[in-house]
Amino acid sequence: SQTIHQWPATLVQPVGSPLSLECTVEGTSNPNLYWYRQAAGRGLQLLFYSVGIGQISSEVPQNLSASRPQDRQFILSSKKLLLSDSGFYLCAWSTRDRGGPLHFGNGTRLTVT
Amino acid sequence: GDSVTQMEGPVTLSEEACLTINCTYTATGYPSLFWYVQYPGEGLQLLLKATKADDKGSNKGFEATYRKETTSFHLEKGSVQVSDSAVYFCALLNTGGFKTIFGAGTRLFVKA
Repeated sequence: SQTIHQWPATLVQPVGSPLSLECTVEGTSNPNLYWYRQAAGRGLQLLFYSVGIGQISSEVPQNLSASRPQDRQFILSSKKLLLSDSGFYLCAWSTRDRGGPLHFGNGTRLTVT
Repeated sequence: GDSVTQMEGPVTLSEEACLTINCTYTATGYPSLFWYVQYPGEGLQLLLKATKADDKGSNKGFEATYRKETTSFHLEKGSVQVSDSAVYFCALLNTGGFKTIFGAGTRLFVKA
């Protein structure tokens, strides 16, 4: 069966520090991969998605970036965090089938202080 | 652009009460529609889905029918339990592609 791992579960970082969140998927090949952010009490905002190794589409211009160095690995990064980067970050995958649902990791709660 | 609008919460119900969470959408083409559920401190899980008009998705006693004429996908359950307390998200995925669009979420509290 397919599983998705996302870490760390919680993170407290000072303003201006770098960020690296990692997500890996097991049990499937060539998945579509996604990073979403959920601000407190609000819906989900799509940040990045990837349909293949090295292919990244950005939905929101900001100081975050994403990379996909391997087929089932997706990394969210920042060189310098802002207070507004605080939130709940969710990685997700889907199959290449049209209309396929998303499968989410358990999320990373990031607090920038 | 595509969008999803769902009723604001929180919704507070007593155990065994009936639940309806309204969801309407705007989309070009023929999207797939989903309900996801998020329990405290966790990621989202797929609850049910429907891929074409008049389809009914169902799971764990929850149901939703894809109504193209009213562009709606309301979530219903006849008798809620305390364990149903969570945040529920309506979402659509258009036929084009890769981006699932979510509503703002509706928090449900069920009291014993």
